[in-house]
Amino acid sequence: ELKVEQNPLFLSMQEGKNYTIYCNYSTTSDRLYWYRQDPGKSLESLFVLLSNGAVKQEGRLMASLDTKARLSTLHITAAVHDLSATYFCAVFVNSGGSNYKLTFGKGTLLTVNP
Amino acid sequence: GAVVSQHPSWVICKSGTSVKIECRSLDFQATTMFWYRQFPKQSLMLMATSNEGSKATYEQGVEKDKFLINHASLTLSTLTVTSAHPEDSSFYICSAAGTGFSYEQYFGPGTRLTVT
Repeated sequence: ELKVEQNPLFLSMQEGKNYTIYCNYSTTSDRLYWYRQDPGKSLESLFVLLSNGAVKQEGRLMASLDTKARLSTLHITAAVHDLSATYFCAVFVNSGGSNYKLTFGKGTLLTVNP
Repeated sequence: GAVVSQHPSWVICKSGTSVKIECRSLDFQATTMFWYRQFPKQSLMLMATSNEGSKATYEQGVEKDKFLINHASLTLSTLTVTSAHPEDSSFYICSAAGTGFSYEQYFGPGTRLTVT
């Protein structure tokens, strides 16, 4: 059974600081997603990482994927209050044809304080 | 593009009744739809995967007779919670994937179900 471990689960940051959220997974996959969820809302897609060594950046967020280490990171640079949300990584597993699914980590609740 | 809607956005029902949640892909044909459940402050748990015209595939531990999924067309999937109980209260989120989207799932806005 695929295990997806995110850490930390809770992160309280000061504005302007940097931090990294880690996502480890237990099986082979070459595709990983990061999502943001605001309270009471559904998921907003942030990044899809499609290959080993993939790096994507959008604003203050940068995500990377190391498929050999089965590790993805979401790095936050110079945090601002608007980044406060819950962040999920999700690992893609394809069993063949139309048999595929995402397994989500537990999420990281990020709070950015002034 | 790639918009997914859900209806209703929230619903309150009495214990023992059934409730149906609709998931629609508005601007693409969804060959595969997924239903997730999310309890407060927890992650998303995949309940089932449905391919158009086929029976849904349920994840281990999900009661298929309680959570009826129908994917009758390429733009509509429904989840019916039968004989709902308070422990079924949750946030239900669907996602849809179409051909040519490289497995990308587009998420609906979610439906909050409260069973009293």
